[in-house]
Amino acid sequence: DIQMTQSPSSLSASVGDRVTISCQASQDITKYLNWYQLKPGKAPKLLMYDASNLETGVPSRFSGSGSETDFTLTISSLQPEDAATYFCQQFHNLPITFGQGTRLEIK
Amino acid sequence: EVQLVESAGGLVQPGGSLRLSCAASGFTFGTYWMHWVRQTPGKGLMWVSHINSIGTGVAYEDSVKGRFTISRDNAKNTVFLQMTSLRVEDTAVYFCARASGGRAHILDFWGQGALVTVSS
Repeated sequence: DIQMTQSPSSLSASVGDRVTISCQASQDITKYLNWYQLKPGKAPKLLMYDASNLETGVPSRFSGSGSETDFTLTISSLQPEDAATYFCQQFHNLPITFGQGTRLEIK
Repeated sequence: EVQLVESAGGLVQPGGSLRLSCAASGFTFGTYWMHWVRQTPGKGLMWVSHINSIGTGVAYEDSVKGRFTISRDNAKNTVFLQMTSLRVEDTAVYFCARASGGRAHILDFWGQGALVTVSS
């Protein structure tokens, strides 16, 4: 199985900050990488697909980059509603696998 | 509006069985692949299973293979997850999710989840 490693596991940042979350795959997954946002009690939300494509309706402050084994999710100007846990997901091979999550807290 | 609504979940004893359902609305259900994904506090998100749009192709994560069965009823816009021989480690919130049209493993809409607790 392809292992997905996210860093950091948690972070705290202020409104307006630029935030970066990393995701590393244990093998080349080309660009088969998605990012999701999870908030307690709510349905998870797709943010980015194919590493760098913004899902419809997601604010443009979110962006994604990377290929092969190293990927990044960036929030350009953090907003209070961005407090959540973020997961990367690879779909190069079955089984689909997720990173362990990055919990983002607003200071 | 796309909606996915899971059944309530519940408390089950180890070795027991439970069937989850996920009712879909707001889209042409029979043209989309569907998935189940679970979340545990300790292990984050784990993909459980998928089924293709017409129900002829399925896949499972190894730890549930032989114990869980995914199925769908396109006439009723519903996908199911039959869980048997449940273990304590199956305790999780179970989400159903729709795969983006034409992209079988991009999960573009999710339900709010059903809590399954396996405990004696």
